[in-house]
Amino acid sequence: SQTIHQWPATLVQPVGSPLSLECTVEGTSNPNLYWYRQAAGRGLQLLFYSVGIGQISSEVPQNLSASRPQDRQFILSSKKLLLSDSGFYLCAWSPLRNTEAFFGQGTRLTVV
Amino acid sequence: DQQVKQNSPSLSVQEGRISILNCDYTNSMFDYFLWYKKYPAEGPTFLISISSIKDKNEDGRFTVFLNKSAKHLSLHIVPSQPGDSAVYFCAASGQGGSEKLVFGKGTKLTVNP
Repeated sequence: SQTIHQWPATLVQPVGSPLSLECTVEGTSNPNLYWYRQAAGRGLQLLFYSVGIGQISSEVPQNLSASRPQDRQFILSSKKLLLSDSGFYLCAWSPLRNTEAFFGQGTRLTVV
Repeated sequence: DQQVKQNSPSLSVQEGRISILNCDYTNSMFDYFLWYKKYPAEGPTFLISISSIKDKNEDGRFTVFLNKSAKHLSLHIVPSQPGDSAVYFCAASGQGGSEKLVFGKGTKLTVNP
């Protein structure tokens, strides 16, 4: 069966520090991968999605970047965190277009 | 530009009654719609979906209705249970071949015992 792993579960980082969140999917090949953010009191905002290795689409101009170095690995990064980067970050995968996406447990990032 | 809209941030219903959550979309290229349920500090879990070739899909207590002409869908939960209390997100995909899944801002459902 397919599983998605996202870590860490919680993270407290100072302003200006770098960020790296990693997400891996097991049990499937060539998944569509997504990074979402849920800011306090807001909905799910799509940040990046990828349909293949090295193929990244950015939805929102921001302080973040994403990379897909391997088929089932998706990384969210920042060189210098801002206070406004605080939120709940979710990685998700879907097997095909027009199917449901499956989410990881999320990372609570607090920038202080 | 918010392409998927959930205009009610919250909804409160009594246990045993029907819960109706609404969602509107603006992009006529969307052809697949989903509902997710989310508890605090957890990832969303998939509930039910509907393709644009249908107008209704039912799974147990959950039914999703799609009105393409109005660009509107709704989720009915009957009967509502206290364990259904969560945030419900509507999502859509299929923008002419785009792979991305776009979510609304969510509706917080509270089912009172």
